[in-house]
Amino acid sequence: EVQLLESGGGLEQPGGSLRLSCAASGFSFSSYAMNWVRQAPGKGLEWVASIRGSGGSTFYAGSVKGRFTISRDNSKNTLYLQLDSLRAEDTALYFCATGRGETYSFLYWGQGTLVTVSS
Amino acid sequence: EIVLTQSPATLSLSPGERATLSCRASQSIGSYLAWYQQKPGQAPRLLIYDASNRATDIPARFSGSGSGTDFTLTISSLEPEDFAVYYCQHRSNWPLTFGGGTKVEI
Repeated sequence: EVQLLESGGGLEQPGGSLRLSCAASGFSFSSYAMNWVRQAPGKGLEWVASIRGSGGSTFYAGSVKGRFTISRDNSKNTLYLQLDSLRAEDTALYFCATGRGETYSFLYWGQGTLVTVSS
Repeated sequence: EIVLTQSPATLSLSPGERATLSCRASQSIGSYLAWYQQKPGQAPRLLIYDASNRATDIPARFSGSGSGTDFTLTISSLEPEDFAVYYCQHRSNWPLTFGGGTKVEI
């Protein structure tokens, strides 16, 4: 059974940093592209970032490029998202998601970790 | 960036009725479109991928069609558990984007 478990969310001040983690199990982690998708309170879904299975290529939404960094540790079956220079508009529930292999339709989702940016 | 426009924003229907949801892309995305269902307090669930392929364990009353810029999600006969918000998402190129969602309400 595929499981994705996010952690690391919390309250942070504007300009601060957080590191989110997503622990994966039940599939061949290094063969799957991984993704972060966020949802602001009461709003729709927003794709944030993706990383290929090898970790060799990363992709970002324009709203986070230069501030967020996606990475992975295939030896630990864990995906990360480093959030720097946080803004109030980054407040959201952050989901870890994956599809089958290197596809980018999201079949499997975690339950999300909440990031709140406020002074 | 490809913009996905979903319509209508809200669809008010009764159980047993047919639901037709639209997703229009600002440029051609081939068949690289997925549909998701989201209920309050839950993660989204993949319904349809590559425009017309049902995901694992998705009931046959859900169907997807379209290609290029115009796509449709059809629920042939609404069940009580189908009242939710539906999103489309493309994977044609970077950046990936989602539509703004359609709420199907009773």
